[in-house]
Amino acid sequence: EPEVTQTPSHQVTQMGQEVILRCVPISNHLYFYWYRQILGQKVEFLVSFYNNEISEKSEIFDDQFSVERPDGSNFTLKIRSTKLEDSAMYFCASSNRQGSASGYTFGSGTRLTVV
Amino acid sequence: AQSVTQLDSQVPVFEEAPVELRCNYSSSVSVYLFWYVQYPNQGLQLLLKYLSGSTLVKGINGFEAEFNKSQTSFHLRKPSVHISDTAEYFCAVRVRSGGGADGLTFGKGTHLIIQP
Repeated sequence: EPEVTQTPSHQVTQMGQEVILRCVPISNHLYFYWYRQILGQKVEFLVSFYNNEISEKSEIFDDQFSVERPDGSNFTLKIRSTKLEDSAMYFCASSNRQGSASGYTFGSGTRLTVV
Repeated sequence: AQSVTQLDSQVPVFEEAPVELRCNYSSSVSVYLFWYVQYPNQGLQLLLKYLSGSTLVKGINGFEAEFNKSQTSFHLRKPSVHISDTAEYFCAVRVRSGGGADGLTFGKGTHLIIQP
């Protein structure tokens, strides 16, 4: 069964450093997403990406965040200057519109720890 | 904007007993509804979804959910749980709009604990 792959599974970074979280969505999917889950809290939508541009973003996705699809397979989330409160599990997801809504396929997540 | 309420943060159930995990949503527009499961140290896996048609939706691992428009609910049920069902369960909604770009709004999750 096709999977969404995320690397690394766990990343530790110092406050103020830049981090890039990487995702390989399912190859024939057209829509890509990032979500985050702060420990013990609900999963929160960050951003959706379609046709090489951001389609929708939440209030969380401020100027410190950016997304990119640098090639035909990777989808990245960059945090320019990490803060302690950025520590969370970050999930990548992809979906394929087929005339109606469909579920999303999520990756296993990257646990980001900012120290 | 839409919101999802999962009133029970934790539900303990004995093995082979039935279980219902509650989900209520609010939205000014029509929505699609989803249940996801998260096993320890894993990602989110789709259990089932309601898009249209029959209000009773069957998913994987013996789970089912019923969409009740008048009560704006989408409760998840299983007639007989197993130890392996121990996990976090998330209800989510997404607005019915054109395209697949809209993000999901999740509830806070319900931790299902199966006791032997």
